[in-house]
Amino acid sequence: EVQLVESGGGLVKPGGSLRLSCAASGFTFSNYGMNWVRQAPGEGLEWVSSISSNSIHTYYGDSVKGRVTISRDDARNSVYLQLNSLRAEDTAVYYCTKDIYQGQLIFVIDYWGRGTPVTVSS
Amino acid sequence: NFMLTQPHSVSESPGKTVTISCTRSSGNIASSSVQWYQQRPHSAPATLIYEYNQRPSGVPDRFSGSIDSSSNSASLTISGLQSEDEADYYCQSSDYYNLVFGGGTKLTVL
Repeated sequence: EVQLVESGGGLVKPGGSLRLSCAASGFTFSNYGMNWVRQAPGEGLEWVSSISSNSIHTYYGDSVKGRVTISRDDARNSVYLQLNSLRAEDTAVYYCTKDIYQGQLIFVIDYWGRGTPVTVSS
Repeated sequence: NFMLTQPHSVSESPGKTVTISCTRSSGNIASSSVQWYQQRPHSAPATLIYEYNQRPSGVPDRFSGSIDSSSNSASLTISGLQSEDEADYYCQSSDYYNLVFGGGTKLTVL
């Protein structure tokens, strides 16, 4: 059974940093691209970032570009999201998601984690 | 980048059929696969349809997806509506290494 378990969320002051983690299990993690998607309170889904299976390719949404870094550790079956220079508008639940096919990242999600909440407030 | 536009809300009675549209603002709707995700209240999203009309295992065949090139849109159709179908539904596609979501449609089962 595929499982994605996020952690690392919490309350942080504006301008602060946070590192989110996602522990994956139930599939050959190293073969799949991974994504982060967020949802602000009462709002819709917003893509944040994606990373290919070999870590060569990383992609970022316009609203976070330059402030966020995605990475992965295949030995730990984990993907990470480093959030810097946080703003109030970054307040959201952050979901870790898995791309559907092995190999090339194609931005089609088949599994979602339960999410970790991030609140940016003074 | 393009946008995906969905109706804000739809409602229908149990047992009936409802269709939710997702219109692409620019570029061809068929140029990149379209997915649909269901988010029940207080839950994480779940994948309902991928690659226009494919259902992951466990998704009932009451749920179906399609595209219409003439209107440059995708549609999610839910037949035999049940109370448990009351949820938010999001379409999603991609373009030039950007993953794009529609704004979401709230389905109310009357």
